[in-house]
Amino acid sequence: KQEVTQIPAALSVPEGENLVLNCSFTDSAIYNLQWFRQDPGKGLTSLLLIQSSQREQTSGRLNASLDKSSGRSTLYIAASQPGDSATYLCAVKCGANSKLTFGKGITLSVRP
Amino acid sequence: DAGITQSPRHKVTETGTPVTLRCHQTENHRYMYWYRQDPGHGLRLIHYSYGVKDTDKGEVSDGYSVSRSKTEDFLLTLESATSSQTSVYFCAISDSTGGTTNEKLFFGSGTQLSVL
Repeated sequence: KQEVTQIPAALSVPEGENLVLNCSFTDSAIYNLQWFRQDPGKGLTSLLLIQSSQREQTSGRLNASLDKSSGRSTLYIAASQPGDSATYLCAVKCGANSKLTFGKGITLSVRP
Repeated sequence: DAGITQSPRHKVTETGTPVTLRCHQTENHRYMYWYRQDPGHGLRLIHYSYGVKDTDKGEVSDGYSVSRSKTEDFLLTLESATSSQTSVYFCAISDSTGGTTNEKLFFGSGTQLSVL
C-alpha cells in the first residue's frame, strides 16, 4: 500500500527566503505526482502535476521535482512571500486508473 | 473553484439522522470524487464516479452512499449519521485519468459537517 509522508508538518520562514518542501512515498512505481495548496477553510488548488516520465515541472516561482528511484519529490518556492502561507499537500497516483494517495501536508508560514 | 459548488457549506445534525451533501459542477467533467479531511488522517477517498450511474467505493466508504443521475451532480448520503462522521467533506472533479494535464484534480470549497 502506497504511503505518502511530508515532514515537517509545519515550517516558518522569513519573507524572501527560498525554501524546499519535501514529499516521500514508499512505492516508487508511480504514475504521477501532484502538488496542491490549501488555504484555511478552503478546498485544494492544484499547483503542479508531474508525470512519471518527467523530472520536474515549473510554474512561476514554483518548481517541483520528482525522483522516483529514491521515492521523493520536492516543491521549491523561490523568494517566498507572506501570500505563500498555506498548507501544501502532495499526492501520488500509482496507476492510470488508481486513485490519489495524499500526504498530510506541510503548513507553511512566511513571516513579513 | 473551477465551477464546483458544494451545498450546504455548513451543517449540524443529530446522530442517527440521514444527511445528503450535494456537489454540482459546470465543467462537464467525467470524474467526480468525495473526500473527507480530518486532522491526523489527511484526505481520504469515500466514493467516486466515472460517469452517470457509474460509481465505486473508496477507502472509507462504510456508512456512505452516493448517486450520480446527471453528469453535473454527485450526491453523498450519510444513511444514519454518527459522530465519527463529523468532518470536512470535499468534492473534486477531473476530466481524465488518461495521463494528460486534464488529470489535475479540482476541488470545491468543502462542507463542514458536525454530528452531535
